[in-house]
Amino acid sequence: GAVVSQHPSWVICKSGTSVKIECRSLDFQATTMFWYRQFPKQSLMLMATSNEGSKATYEQGVEKDKFLINHASLTLSTLTVTSAHPEDSSFYICSARERGWTEAFFGQGTRLTVV
Amino acid sequence: SQQGEEDPQALSIQEGENATMNCSYKTSINNLQWYRQNSGRGLVHLILIRSNEREKHSGRLRVTLDTSKKSSSLLITASRAADTASYFCATDAFGNEKLTFGTGTRLTIIP
Repeated sequence: GAVVSQHPSWVICKSGTSVKIECRSLDFQATTMFWYRQFPKQSLMLMATSNEGSKATYEQGVEKDKFLINHASLTLSTLTVTSAHPEDSSFYICSARERGWTEAFFGQGTRLTVV
Repeated sequence: SQQGEEDPQALSIQEGENATMNCSYKTSINNLQWYRQNSGRGLVHLILIRSNEREKHSGRLRVTLDTSKKSSSLLITASRAADTASYFCATDAFGNEKLTFGTGTRLTIIP
């Protein structure tokens, strides 16, 4: 199957700093990318959907100024957690889909810990 | 809000036994997919079943879909220790690319 690479796999940052997470499609054009958040032993909650070259569409309750998403190319999307706080600590996962595909492919996830 | 509910929430079985997980959803769907997640890792796609299909097989996996009951089941036959993971169903609707995930089943295979 297609490969989605997410980086970093884990990161620890201080409160108040910003953290950027990258999601790359390695062998296909990711016309749509999705960002999810997952708390321990819980399911994935969709945060936002981004289409290449367009602004991201955020789910209800997700602060767009807090979680900045950029999808500037067909192979790269980034999620920046701005002014991170301990409550932002979570597992963040991206997935990507090419137009016309039914299946979405997932990155390995990023464990964010804010101290 | 969460689209799917899965049961059981947790399941422990002996290696070699079959494992069955169920997923129920609330609204009409286009496709239903099953994913596996090992602890602290990303998701691996297992199988997709379309709304006009009733059953699908892939290796040791068997998926059924009952759109009248808005439910699906995933059967893993002859389980192995490596099958230990969380399993999620995910649905998408016609004209909507978003995947909405179920609550998941944590499967433990006892060697």
